[in-house]
Amino acid sequence: AQSVAQPEDQVNVAEGNPLTVKCTYSVSGNPYLFWYVQYPNRGLQFLLKYITGDNLVKGSYGFEAEFNKSQTSFHLKKPSALVSDSALYFCAVGPGKSTFGDGTTLTVKP
Amino acid sequence: NAGVTQTPKFQVLKTGQSMTLQCAQDMNHEYMSWYRQDPGMGLRLIHYSVGAGITDQGEVPNGYNVSRSTTEDFPLRLLSAAPSQTSVYFCASSYSRDREGSGANVLTFGAGSRLTVL
Repeated sequence: AQSVAQPEDQVNVAEGNPLTVKCTYSVSGNPYLFWYVQYPNRGLQFLLKYITGDNLVKGSYGFEAEFNKSQTSFHLKKPSALVSDSALYFCAVGPGKSTFGDGTTLTVKP
Repeated sequence: NAGVTQTPKFQVLKTGQSMTLQCAQDMNHEYMSWYRQDPGMGLRLIHYSVGAGITDQGEVPNGYNVSRSTTEDFPLRLLSAAPSQTSVYFCASSYSRDREGSGANVLTFGAGSRLTVL
């Protein structure tokens, strides 16, 4: 069975500072990894995914994620946070039916 | 292009009542699914379908039924609502394969349906 862990319920950063939202996974075989973002009262929106190849994946809104096979991690990063990045972030793992983590609430303060 | 459309957005039921949450997509996606979102529990898969006429159970299927008579529609039925089914429900769809031919299918989500069972 595949699983995802997001160890932090909440991440707080100041605007302009770098941010990291952590994700670790467990899956048999090669993983497909995803990050989604959910703004209040909205559905989830796709940010980026890793299938194979370069361990650093770039996605929407300046976000990127680093795949680390030895640590089974796929942390979401952004060099300079914006207040508008405040949202709920979900990590998910495939293949097939996506399994989601519990989500991490990111708050960026001015 | 509407994407994934869910109706209703809000619903209040009494225990024991039945209802159907509607989901329609206009992207010709083969794969459709229903998730429920509860605080601190992320998204849990209820049922999914890989094509018309094919459905299967996810992680938390009890109390829910689905059918897939067309590619576009994937309704979720609550036969006898219980307070434990109070949640926000999301329908999501995707192609079975991405453009690279992998199974890394990116899900497109509807806006959600907030259900309260009293």
